Amino acid sequence: KAGVTQTPRYLIKTRGQQVTLSCSPISGHRSVSWYQQTPGQGLQFLFEYFSETQRNKGNFPGRFSGRQFSNSRSEMNVSTLELGDSALYLCASSPQTGDEQFFGPGTRLTVL
Amino acid sequence: QKEVEQNSGPLSVPEGAIASLNCTYSDRVSQSFFWYRQYSGKSPELIMSIYSNGDKEDGRFTAQLNKASQYVSLLIRDSQPSDSATYLCAFLDTGGFKTIFGAGTRLFVKA
Repeated sequence: KAGVTQTPRYLIKTRGQQVTLSCSPISGHRSVSWYQQTPGQGLQFLFEYFSETQRNKGNFPGRFSGRQFSNSRSEMNVSTLELGDSALYLCASSPQTGDEQFFGPGTRLTVL
Repeated sequence: QKEVEQNSGPLSVPEGAIASLNCTYSDRVSQSFFWYRQYSGKSPELIMSIYSNGDKEDGRFTAQLNKASQYVSLLIRDSQPSDSATYLCAFLDTGGFKTIFGAGTRLFVKA
């Protein structure tokens, strides 16, 4: 069974731009969670989607948004990028909310 | 705010020794606990989940859970240099239905 895939793997943007990251979960998994990982803050929860509905949201500004499609694929968007948004963005999927999560390889975003 | 406390390390052990990684968590009602391993530059990979008090063994790995003490640990027997990584402890926040991760413990296994 194929694992979680994320695209793109690397991104370089400048301040003020926006970015869209994509995540395809493991087949049959309906829950997709997004995390931001930085050296100083560890893994920070962004949001979780289940059956196209956002069920939970972490403490991030409204510039961070996401959505999930009917095939469970998910996207997250960051608008008006700031230098502090430079991080590894990880997507994780699970069959149901609260089950064991399986991570994709991540998208490394650098904001200049 | 619910959280996980882990010693950031680094924890250094010789090859062949037992590595003991510990964490405490703040959610008294959580039923689901997880250990992940993350190599430098890679994404976390699930090692083990544990849901009941006591020990759960999988190969060289043993997870131990004590809900009364809100404590979970991971033992790695016969540690190998390839075990050198950051180990993340996590639990399911049943109130918010999200998984909360600790900052991780860096483990070095010396050959």
